[in-house]
Amino acid sequence: GAVVSQHPSWVICKSGTSVKIECRSLDFQATTMFWYRQFPKQSLMLMATSNEGSKATYEQGVEKDKFLINHASLTLSTLTVTSAHPEDSSFYICSARDPRADSGELFFGEGSRLTVL
Amino acid sequence: GQNIDQPTEMTATEGAIVQINCTYQTSGFNGLFWYQQHAGEAPTFLSYNVLDGLEEKGRFSSFLSRSKGYSYLLLKELQMKDSASYLCALMDSNYQLIWGAGTKLIIKP
Repeated sequence: GAVVSQHPSWVICKSGTSVKIECRSLDFQATTMFWYRQFPKQSLMLMATSNEGSKATYEQGVEKDKFLINHASLTLSTLTVTSAHPEDSSFYICSARDPRADSGELFFGEGSRLTVL
Repeated sequence: GQNIDQPTEMTATEGAIVQINCTYQTSGFNGLFWYQQHAGEAPTFLSYNVLDGLEEKGRFSSFLSRSKGYSYLLLKELQMKDSASYLCALMDSNYQLIWGAGTKLIIKP
């Protein structure tokens, strides 16, 4: 089945530094990928929709200059958390739809747990 | 607007059956999904309903009534590994997923 891979799974960084998270679709091409954030005991919150070859679409309240998204190829989207602060510590998850699937099922990456010290 | 409601938490006994309900309001509908999420892990797909009725897949079944804005996920022969959060998600007219807050299911021996 379709596989979405995310890297790194865990990252710890110092406050003020930037962190890049990669999301890859391994066996299908994804023109659109979705980035979610999930705080402990809360539901998934869509941050932005990543569009291959064009600008990402950010949800209300998400700072586009802080959460940089690049979708340079049909199999790779990256999320960069710039000047990270402790409040950015969260579980970041990417997802994509396999265009070959009849349903709109989302396949999720493994998630990346960010801890900002 | 769109709204999804599901219980926050449920408890069931190993070997029993549990039904997790999800109600929704939406102006556009392109299907309803159920996902399972274990603590600290990403969600995994369980089921998709776009037509009324019951979809059965092993120990898990999902039901949809579009006229009532209602779905449920039925888990049979519960196992301890079924302890997880179960997320109901609605696909709207723009094919975007609207997520419920999730139901935390606790399985007791």
